[in-house]
Amino acid sequence: RKEVEQDPGPFNVPEGATVAFNCTYSNSASQSFFWYRQDCRKEPKLLMSVYSSGNEDGRFTAQLNRASQYISLLIRDSKLSDSATYLCVVNPATDKLIFGTGTRLQVFP
Amino acid sequence: DTEVTQTPKHLVMGMTNKKSLKCEQHMGHRAMYWYKQKAKKPPELMFVYSYEKLSINESVPSRFSPECPNSSLLNLHLHALQPEDSALYLCASSQEGGGQFFGPGTRLTVL
Repeated sequence: RKEVEQDPGPFNVPEGATVAFNCTYSNSASQSFFWYRQDCRKEPKLLMSVYSSGNEDGRFTAQLNRASQYISLLIRDSKLSDSATYLCVVNPATDKLIFGTGTRLQVFP
Repeated sequence: DTEVTQTPKHLVMGMTNKKSLKCEQHMGHRAMYWYKQKAKKPPELMFVYSYEKLSINESVPSRFSPECPNSSLLNLHLHALQPEDSALYLCASSQEGGGQFFGPGTRLTVL
């Protein structure tokens, strides 16, 4: 079983749609969780940290379920500029980040 | 300054060459990282420096040699690389417990 698993997609959605990505992780001792976005041939950029209480940043909402070892990202009112690969990232030990394989999102007009 | 910079942006080298990749951050972060990323794959951790000391080496071949001259700088020395080492090399930095911030990467081609 992979340490971090994501549906690779692609998710093709129209502008204005709501889209949700899910991720599961295997190491129950993991402490920190993040979502990154990566545009083609660019570096990953930190989108948001994920907390058990859930957190929201504008159109983006992230949720963590420790019991199920499950992380989610919800994007509301999708924009063309949201098209990218979204990476679920887990911190199983100090200074180590494990990246999921990423979920590709394509928003069309 | 919330930026991680990397030089060069692109590098083409032969299998007998010696070259170095450079990374710099001025955010006062205590940890710096080297990752390798192949096309359509996630980044793979290579090395971690914490407070200027090597803390993690993910069994990287010795043809890759990291160096941390000070808390802001991180180098990756390359020698006798193979064509399969061609990839995007990413540097990142972070503060305690926080997410990592990535530089734009060096796209390396080994001929």
